[in-house]
Amino acid sequence: DIQMTQSPSTLSSSVGDRVTITCRASQSIDSWLAWYQQKPGKAPKLLIYKASSLESGVPSRFSGSGSGTEFTLTISSLQPDDSATYYCQQYKSYSLTFGQGTKLEIK
Amino acid sequence: EVQLVESGGGLVQPGGSLRLSCAASGFTFSDHYMDWVRQAPGKGLEWVGRGRNKANGYTTEYAASVKGRFTISRDDSKNSVYLQMNSLKTEDTAVYYCTRAQSTMPPASDIWGHGTTVTVSS
Repeated sequence: DIQMTQSPSTLSSSVGDRVTITCRASQSIDSWLAWYQQKPGKAPKLLIYKASSLESGVPSRFSGSGSGTEFTLTISSLQPDDSATYYCQQYKSYSLTFGQGTKLEIK
Repeated sequence: EVQLVESGGGLVQPGGSLRLSCAASGFTFSDHYMDWVRQAPGKGLEWVGRGRNKANGYTTEYAASVKGRFTISRDDSKNSVYLQMNSLKTEDTAVYYCTRAQSTMPPASDIWGHGTTVTVSS
């Protein structure tokens, strides 16, 4: 299976900050990477698919980049509502695999 | 409104069985693959498996941790997908989410249900 590694595991930033989360794959997944946001007690929500495509309805402050084995999720100007855990997922090959998650807290 | 609603969770003893259901509405169910994803208490997300649509032979894929014990099936006439879980282990305790796979290939999960809780304990 392809292993996905996110960094950092936790992150604390202030409103208005630019935030970047990194996801690395153990082998190339081309651009078949998704990012999800999960708030406590809620189901995950798709933010980004195919590494950089913004899901409909997701604020434009979220963006994704990368290909191959290294990917980033960027929030251009952090908002209070962005406090959540973020997961990357590769969907190039089975078994589909998630990163371990990055918990983002607002200072 | 596009919606997925899971049901069937509960408390079961190790070695027991449980069948989860997921009812879909608001989209053409038969067009989409459907996935199951789980989350153990306080842990991250784990993909469980995928059920493809009729056009792709209703074939399935599973994570190694559940292969041979779990079975995904679907009934397009009822807009529903199911997860039959046998030989349950304590480590199967989790919230189980039903997800819709995008219509593009390969697909990410673009719609998620609210989840149903499975507890495996004696």
